Amino acid sequence: DAKTTQPNSMESNEEEPVHLPCNHSTISGTDYIHWYRQLPSQGPEYVIHGLTSNVNNRMASLAIAEDRKSSTLILHRATLRDAAVYYCILRENTGTASKLTFGTGTRLQVTL
Amino acid sequence: KAGVTQTPRYLIKTRGQQVTLSCSPISGHRSVSWYQQTPGQGLQFLFEYFSETQRNKGNFPGRFSGRQFSNSRSEMNVSTLELGDSALYLCASSLGGIGNQPQHFGDGTRLSIL
Repeated sequence: DAKTTQPNSMESNEEEPVHLPCNHSTISGTDYIHWYRQLPSQGPEYVIHGLTSNVNNRMASLAIAEDRKSSTLILHRATLRDAAVYYCILRENTGTASKLTFGTGTRLQVTL
Repeated sequence: KAGVTQTPRYLIKTRGQQVTLSCSPISGHRSVSWYQQTPGQGLQFLFEYFSETQRNKGNFPGRFSGRQFSNSRSEMNVSTLELGDSALYLCASSLGGIGNQPQHFGDGTRLSIL
């Protein structure tokens, strides 16, 4: 699986937008960009995924660079409940490739 | 809709014993994957089952094995336990395992080896 690079940690104030960056310079044309997050004492939670176009859902937005070598997860208004480790993962879209290769992720701290 | 259920939540074993962990996927999901999470190595893929067949395997010794039943429920077994097997074991399910389908995780079984 192609590798991703994320900052180890980020901080945000509550109610502010948060932009979590991810670099994936070796991404291939068939790789989807997935984001998961893991809250304390819980299993990872799917957040969002995309291929080429920007994506929005109820949890977040995903902005993908035109060359696809980087992407940004956007939390529009951070809350204390968003404090978690966020993982950016590339997944091959080749039939049966279903494993997730987790990196170290970005630990997001949200303060009042 | 019920999520992924893992049992038990906590388990304490001693070196040399064996252990079986259970995972019930979301209804309708046919792919079940297992992961090990430790502070040192992070989240690592163990194996994936689809329609009762192991379809993908990570880089773990043969002491780690699994199986999937016809109702998609899965079990994971670790034999001859070692201290280094202490970890959070996570199960995830998805519809069919195609690369762009999200995986849904349970909250894991925390295994401690004494």
